[in-house]
Amino acid sequence: NAGVTQTPKFQVLKTGQSMTLQCAQDMNHEYMSWYRQDPGMGLRLIHYSVGAGITDQGEVPNGYNVSRSTTEDFPLRLLSAAPSQTSVYFCASKTRQGWNTEAFFGQGTRLTVV
Amino acid sequence: TQLLEQSPQFLSIQEGENLTVYCNSSSVFSSLQWYRQEPGEGPVLLVTVVTGGEVKKLKRLTFQFGDARKDSSLHITAAQPGDTGLYLCAGAPSNNDMRFGAGTRLTVKP
Repeated sequence: NAGVTQTPKFQVLKTGQSMTLQCAQDMNHEYMSWYRQDPGMGLRLIHYSVGAGITDQGEVPNGYNVSRSTTEDFPLRLLSAAPSQTSVYFCASKTRQGWNTEAFFGQGTRLTVV
Repeated sequence: TQLLEQSPQFLSIQEGENLTVYCNSSSVFSSLQWYRQEPGEGPVLLVTVVTGGEVKKLKRLTFQFGDARKDSSLHITAAQPGDTGLYLCAGAPSNNDMRFGAGTRLTVKP
């Protein structure tokens, strides 16, 4: 079982560059989300999707775009990278939205913006 | 200000000791979840507590949901080095998003 797969695992960007973090799940989950994890801040929700073609903003959406053209994939785009976006990014999926369903996480992408 | 406040932030104990970590909020939650995260990995679900006052046991781990559904605790009995990790509580203030606390980083020394 692959579960949730994120690529790349590590990335270094220069300020102003753009890139896409990939996330794919093979569990046919409706709900997918992106978090960033910073020391002392826990996981903060960036964007989420409740199904193909539907996305919405989370707690810290500025500087990031998402799209959901298929059930399996939920890429996160950084339009113009800034040092403040240095973080570890996690993609997660759930069978459906809802407060008591289990979230399955990828292994994370460690991004450094210099 | 975090929606979910976890304490302590760091905890270092010897193998065999008992410990309790806390997750507190001023908001009421329909449920709270506890996850454990190991270095280089994503969080993994340990338990979901749903009913106020509920107690759930997972081997040496005991989880409690407060009567008012605003707080939760995790108690580990006879901690082992394999319990080392970051313990995160999570709750959904609405049906659409899940918020996490900053976590308690536990180190259990042999």
